[in-house]
Amino acid sequence: GDSVTQMEGPVTLSEEAFLTINCTYTATGYPSLFWYVQYPGEGLQLLLKATKADDKGSNKGFEATYRKETTSFHLEKGSVQVSDSAVYFCALSPLYNQGGKLIFGQGTELSVKP
Amino acid sequence: EAGVTQSPTHLIKTRGQQATLRCSPISGHTSVYWYQQALGLGLQFLLWYDEGEERNRGNFPPRFSGRQFPNYSSELNVNALELEDSALYLCASSREGNLARGNQPQHFGDGTRLSIL
Repeated sequence: GDSVTQMEGPVTLSEEAFLTINCTYTATGYPSLFWYVQYPGEGLQLLLKATKADDKGSNKGFEATYRKETTSFHLEKGSVQVSDSAVYFCALSPLYNQGGKLIFGQGTELSVKP
Repeated sequence: EAGVTQSPTHLIKTRGQQATLRCSPISGHTSVYWYQQALGLGLQFLLWYDEGEERNRGNFPPRFSGRQFPNYSSELNVNALELEDSALYLCASSREGNLARGNQPQHFGDGTRLSIL
């Protein structure tokens, strides 16, 4: 079945460091891919999305490129801030999503120190 | 536009009681999804409603049920509460059911924290 695997956390970085959170997926065809962020005590916010191969999603300095050849959708940011501390979830929606649900990775906790 | 709103923010119940959680989707969204986020278990899909009909449910017992109203708002009911039902319950909405193409993102509310004593 379809699945998403994220790198394990927690990831601890200093402010202004470069961030990469790895995400790989298993799915048939061309799923849509998403990154969500969950700040402490809040729900999930859509961070960015990509719906076809080679699409690059970007928002708030974060980027991720849909790589069909490596079935990956890694999240990157050039310079993290303390305010980026949160849990990040990679998710996919199958091409024809008869079940409606998003398939999530286990989440990666990011902690940014000043 | 107003986001997905959930109520109440927190709910404290005892074992065996019943809980009702409510969700209002973003205006124009017809699909509502419910997820459970329990500590250490990640996000588990519960239910999907579209146009007033239950379209899919996850691997949860029948005491988890819900409905969608004509205005597309939804409620989740949990009967005979058990300690392991303690979790954050998240509601999400999207424009159309993800039937044609799965490229419509789901937008989440801030959740209801259900605590079972």
